[in-house]
Amino acid sequence: EVQLVQSGAEVKKPGESLTISCEGSGYIFTKYWITWVRQMPGKGLEWMGRIDPSDSYINYSPSFQGHVTISADKSISTAYLQWSSLKASDTAMYYCARLFYGSGTYNWFDPWGQGTLVTVSS
Amino acid sequence: DIQMTQSPSSLSASVGDRVAITCRASQTISTNLNWYQQKPGKAPKLLIYAASTLQSGVPSRFSGSGSGTDFTLTISSLQPEDFATYYCQQCYSTPPYTFGQGTKLEIK
Repeated sequence: EVQLVQSGAEVKKPGESLTISCEGSGYIFTKYWITWVRQMPGKGLEWMGRIDPSDSYINYSPSFQGHVTISADKSISTAYLQWSSLKASDTAMYYCARLFYGSGTYNWFDPWGQGTLVTVSS
Repeated sequence: DIQMTQSPSSLSASVGDRVAITCRASQTISTNLNWYQQKPGKAPKLLIYAASTLQSGVPSRFSGSGSGTDFTLTISSLQPEDFATYYCQQCYSTPPYTFGQGTKLEIK
């Protein structure tokens, strides 16, 4: 079974650093990009960025560039999302998902991780 | 960037009803359009890709149609488990991958 398992919920203070993880299993990790999506409380889905685990090539959404760092360790089939200095506005659920390419230009996110809730509060 | 607009933002319906949710792209995206379902407290789940292809395991009461800028997700006969929020997503001009704002389907 193809699945992505994310690290557990985190409660942090403003200014602290944080890394959350997303481990893939059931498929060849280096063959598919991993993407990250933010969902703020009661809001919709926002694409943050994607990484090719085979060479760690990354694309960021302009909205998140400079605010987060995406990385991956292909030796342990794990992708990461990192903050160096959290803000209260980073409070959200964060999802990773596998970027699947079908025929032609078609692509989609499947499966998704279960989500990691990050709460930033003083 | 391509903007995606869904309508309505929320919808009340009854079990057995036929419902349609629309998604409009700010420019043509051919059929590079995906639909996701998200239930409360759960991760989104892929329903339809390439505008009209049902993901494996998705009930046939779900269908997708459209091309260019206008798309529709139709549920032919609502079941209790279908009450959720639905998102469209364009995958034509990427990155970035843009989602619609979501349509919350509630029980009447």
